[in-house]
Amino acid sequence: DQQVKQNSPSLSVQEGRISILNCDYTNSMFDYFLWYKKYPAEGPTFLISISSIKDKNEDGRFTVFLNKSAKHLSLHIVPSQPGDSAVYFCAISSAGKSTFGDGTTLTVKP
Amino acid sequence: DTAVSQTPKYLVTQMGNDKSIKCEQNLGHDTMYWYKQDSKKFLKIMFSYNNKELIINETVPNRFSPKSPDKAHLNLHINSLELGDSAVYFCASRTGRDPTDTQYFGPGTRLTVL
Repeated sequence: DQQVKQNSPSLSVQEGRISILNCDYTNSMFDYFLWYKKYPAEGPTFLISISSIKDKNEDGRFTVFLNKSAKHLSLHIVPSQPGDSAVYFCAISSAGKSTFGDGTTLTVKP
Repeated sequence: DTAVSQTPKYLVTQMGNDKSIKCEQNLGHDTMYWYKQDSKKFLKIMFSYNNKELIINETVPNRFSPKSPDKAHLNLHINSLELGDSAVYFCASRTGRDPTDTQYFGPGTRLTVL
């Protein structure tokens, strides 16, 4: 049973536009929700997180939204830059254990 | 001064062999993990150690044996390698003082079993 799903395997946007990456989860018993970014031949790196008691967290160009009733998490990147091209993983965390989605490959075209 | 390092970066070996992957973190974290990323890109947790003690052991064949000689190192030994073990293996660490469970990943070890 896949607890975390990223239904779009890939997303392509034009530089300067908004990128919206989505993530759905099934279990409500989680404390934090995180987004990681991964470049080829590197490990994932932490991008932004949100507590289960909040619905929005912003850090520069990156904003994460949490809709608990819909069990949905999204990451907005605005404006998108070519350097944002990478694989993005969402993760849900509880008690020191994270469950990851299968990633969305974002391509930002100049 | 890499935070989480893994060796080797690439490992190509024959079926039936035994191999080890090493991981070291210099962040002073007390929890370390091994993940497997297969061809479907899922990052699946395999093991977690906290201060040298095993705390998470997912459904992993017992051919996989983690070893933590100290809290800065977590090695993964794999016996009798099979074709299905081919994957990228990531080591990660976190501090217990961060409630968000933010993890710091190594660069990965690409294992290819022929």
